[in-house]
This record gives sequence, structure tokens and C-alpha cells, in this order.
Amino acid sequence: NAGVTQTPKFQVLKTGQSMTLQCAQDMNHNSMYWYRQDPGMGLRLIYYSASEGTTDKGEVPNGYNVSRLNKREFSLRLESAAPSQTSVYFCASSPDRVAETQYFGPGTRLLVL
Amino acid sequence: LAKTTQPISMDSYEGQEVNITCSHNNIATNDYITWYQQFPSQGPRFIIQGYKTKVTNEVASLFIPADRKSSTLSLPRVSLSDTAVYYCLVETGLYNDMRFGAGTRLTVKP
Repeated sequence: NAGVTQTPKFQVLKTGQSMTLQCAQDMNHNSMYWYRQDPGMGLRLIYYSASEGTTDKGEVPNGYNVSRLNKREFSLRLESAAPSQTSVYFCASSPDRVAETQYFGPGTRLLVL
Repeated sequence: LAKTTQPISMDSYEGQEVNITCSHNNIATNDYITWYQQFPSQGPRFIIQGYKTKVTNEVASLFIPADRKSSTLSLPRVSLSDTAVYYCLVETGLYNDMRFGAGTRLTVKP
């Protein structure tokens, strides 16, 4: 039981390049989330998926797109990376409503030059 | 949105009890209070959740007064490995209401 896994662990991009961050969970959770964490700050919600087939914007969605590929997988795409997107990205999942415990992945550290 | 306020940092020594208080003045009737712990280079990890009075698990206790405008996370007999950032969240059940804030950086010294 791996919980929440994320790939890659670390990535360096040049401004304007695109990439997809992958996330998968094996806990049969309905809800999945993408957060970013900047130095000295808490996590900010980018997008969430309440259930398979649905996605919605969070607090800071600009510059990102997401896909809920199936119940297990939720990907985050940066179409044209900008230095302001340098951050640590965390994926999380929960059984259902957000007030239920969220389980976080180990994070992806992204550097945009 | 229920906003939370926590101390930015706290220091403690091994073996002491640590209490971290979170203020949430505009908490709504149906809101829950949840605490997460985050170690460097890791994702946050759930510690404890409560609605009112006191909740205890194997890791911590959570004290919530009757007016629910604040809550206190209590860590008994901390060790060096408890050095982490602790986040207080007020969870409304709405997906887009999650606000982690900057958290409290706890440093446990030998």
C-alpha cells in the first residue's frame, strides 16, 4: 500500500517549456487535490477533483490545467512554465469531503529558470 | 472563509509538553478543526481533528473551548523528532475552503 505517489521528485524547466506532474493513489479515495508550497508559506490549493470525472479550480489555478484520468490518477500540467511557478507541488487525496483526512504525497520540487 | 492565526514559531526542549494555540474567531457551527504536521521535504501528515471539547489520540491532544474560537494542540513529552511545522485548519466541508496558512514552526532542542 504505497499511499500517494508523485513523479517526478525533482524537475528543472526553462521558461516556456511544458510538463506534466503525475499523481496516483491506491486508497480508493474519491477526492484528489493539487497544492503548491512556496518558501515559508503554507500550502495553496491549485485544483481539486471531488470525484472521478470532475475537476474544479482552487485558490491559485492560473497557469495550470489538470486531468482526472481515472479514480487513481490526477495529473497537473504546466503548459508554458514561468519562474513564478517555481515551487514544491503536493498531491493529496481524501475519502470524500475535504473535512476528511487528506493524505499527501512526497512532493515534486520544480525549478523554472 | 474561516481564517486561522497561529504563532510563527516556538521553541521547546526534549521531554517538555508543548501547547500550540490557534485562533479562529469566525468559525461556523458545522466547521471542524484539523491539525497537520509537516517535516522538511515531506508532505503534511494528519495529526488530529476535533469539533468540540477534547480529543486525544496516540500522538496528541486537541482542546477546544465551548465557544470554539480557538483550539490548542498539545504534544506531550516532545522529542527532537517532533521538530516540524504544525498547521491548524478550519474545515468547512467545502472543497475550495482549505487554507493552510504559514503554520507554527516548532523547534525542539536537546
